[in-house]
Amino acid sequence: AAGVIQSPRHLIKEKRETATLKCYPIPRHDTVYWYQQGPGQDPQFLISFYEKMQSDKGSIPDRFSAQQFSDYHSELNMSSLELGDSALYFCASSSSGMVNNEQFFGPGTRLTVL
Amino acid sequence: LAKTTQPISMDSYEGQEVNITCSHNNIATNDYITWYQQFPSQGPRFIIQGYKTKVTNEVASLFIPADRKSSTLSLPRVSLSDTAVYYCLVARGFNAGNMLTFGGGTRLMVKP
Repeated sequence: AAGVIQSPRHLIKEKRETATLKCYPIPRHDTVYWYQQGPGQDPQFLISFYEKMQSDKGSIPDRFSAQQFSDYHSELNMSSLELGDSALYFCASSSSGMVNNEQFFGPGTRLTVL
Repeated sequence: LAKTTQPISMDSYEGQEVNITCSHNNIATNDYITWYQQFPSQGPRFIIQGYKTKVTNEVASLFIPADRKSSTLSLPRVSLSDTAVYYCLVARGFNAGNMLTFGGGTRLMVKP
């Protein structure tokens, strides 16, 4: 079965640079979520989109922005990167037609800021 | 959202049944209890969700008492591959589209 696709899988950036992470949800899933997981920490919700509109906002820094496109893929744009942004970034997707809270997570993008 | 509290870690042996209890004293009427499993460097994976009484699927059972202030995830006959972090989450409503708030999970170590 098709899973959530994230690209790139690994990314190395310098401080103050920008980065764009991409997420391709499972086909026919209309909701996308972004989570950040720092080393040894629990996943933290950043932001979510439903039908291309922002639906929930969590602890996403002002330096980050995200959007969902007409094909339902999503991009997380990160600017003025800081050392503390080094983390695993997970994208998850779900369908509004589902009857539970199951979110399907992608393999993650490991961002390292030097 | 209700805060959840669960053991930081647990040890078990292959073939044993493992029960992980989570407390959520301030759970709201329309909140559901959901459990996720996470292996190192992988995204969390949905295990089971319930509202009250008992829910069972092919991998686990979830027991929720009448007052809903706690819940117990039961893993029958664990194997080494069940070594992971298990998160208890309280999610708003039962429909998709709600963000997940991960608190401190339980690190389960299964030994041979």
